[in-house]
Amino acid sequence: DAGVIQSPRHEVTEMGQEVTLRCKPISGHNSLFWYRQTMMRGLELLIYFNNNVPIDDSGMPEDRFSAKMPNASFSTLKIQPSEPRDSAVYFCASSFFRGLPRETQYFGPGTRLLVL
Amino acid sequence: AQKVTQAQTEISVVEKEDVTLDCVYETRDTTYYLFWYKQPPSGELVFLIRRNSFDEQNEISGRYSWNFQKSTSSFNFTITASQVVDSAVYFCALSEAHAGKSTFGDGTTLTVKP
Repeated sequence: DAGVIQSPRHEVTEMGQEVTLRCKPISGHNSLFWYRQTMMRGLELLIYFNNNVPIDDSGMPEDRFSAKMPNASFSTLKIQPSEPRDSAVYFCASSFFRGLPRETQYFGPGTRLLVL
Repeated sequence: AQKVTQAQTEISVVEKEDVTLDCVYETRDTTYYLFWYKQPPSGELVFLIRRNSFDEQNEISGRYSWNFQKSTSSFNFTITASQVVDSAVYFCALSEAHAGKSTFGDGTTLTVKP
């Protein structure tokens, strides 16, 4: 089975530009997570969805960040406008949610974002 | 609130040494899962193990073993006869019954020198 797929793998952009990160979860999984990883802050959960519905977006840094999950097989994380401090590795993860506690999350390869 | 503490920020060992990575957690729930993930230099996060709160049996998988002790709220990870390929950042994580998300520790960077 294919794992979690993320695109692009690398993104270099200039400050002020819009950035869109994409994720395809593992087929059959019904929960999706977006994480950000930096040296300073470690691994941070930004937002997660159950059955395409955003459940907790308290980790989203500010209004410049938005995430959508229009269907079970696709999600986007958008940054508009981007800033240099957004430079990080962004991971998408998915799991099969059948009730708490939460099941194992499987991570994508990450998108390395550099905002100049 | 759930919390995961990995007190060891960095560990360096010489190949073939045994090494233990510590993980201490806090939870108010009786039902929870504990996880270990590995992040090698290539950057991906790889799931290693999941343990539920009702199963305190230790687990061994090849050179890897995990010691779960509810009495001390610890879920430690031991690598026996370490190898250079074990060099990575290792994350411990906790998923509680009442919370909808997992909490990750800050990670322990393990360097195995030849």
